[in-house]
Amino acid sequence: DTVLTQSPGLAVSPGERVTISCRASESVSTRMHWYQQKVGQQPKLLIYGASYRDSGVPARFSGSGSGTDFTLTIDPVEANDAATYFCQQSWNDWTFGGGTKLELK
Amino acid sequence: QVSLKESGPGILQPFQTLSLTCSFSGFSLGTSNMGIGWIRQSSGKGLEYLATIWWDGDKYFNPSLKSRLTVSKDTSNNQTFLKIASVDTADTGTYFCTQLMGGWFAYWGQGALVTVSS
Repeated sequence: DTVLTQSPGLAVSPGERVTISCRASESVSTRMHWYQQKVGQQPKLLIYGASYRDSGVPARFSGSGSGTDFTLTIDPVEANDAATYFCQQSWNDWTFGGGTKLELK
Repeated sequence: QVSLKESGPGILQPFQTLSLTCSFSGFSLGTSNMGIGWIRQSSGKGLEYLATIWWDGDKYFNPSLKSRLTVSKDTSNNQTFLKIASVDTADTGTYFCTQLMGGWFAYWGQGALVTVSS
């Protein structure tokens, strides 16, 4: 299995820039995708192919990386960005990271 | 407009078979390279990939659960089905069906909550 490791959580203030990392146990090329899940809702696709924003996703969200290290950046963070963010790879089957909970101060 | 909705029993007992239905609209599972993925989430925890059924009938399963999983589809009625045999409390959670194209899960249903309890 390709294991994806995310930091468990962080807290930021609105207007700040935040980076959420995801590290793969082996190279996944650019087959990395990011989702946002708010409490009580289903996940929502934000970024696919490491850096492509899904339709309707604000430009505040961006993705980067290749190989084993990937980053989701939100700049600037808004209050309604409070959520858990998951990475997912599709190079070797499909696996998800454990999620990073973003809290707003 | 793409939409998916899961339906299931809500609660079942250990050792029973869980049967879930995904009803979708806005796309066809007959379209090349289209798939429906099943993913679950235990209470307050992460996402676990379960299975995929593809437009051509091909199937793929999470290796750790493969022996207990069955997936099927009814393309003409825009439905797919997931069965999990011999459930236990560890199978309690929310089950999502998703549209899968290009390796990512583009659209998700609202989820069906399943509780396994005696």
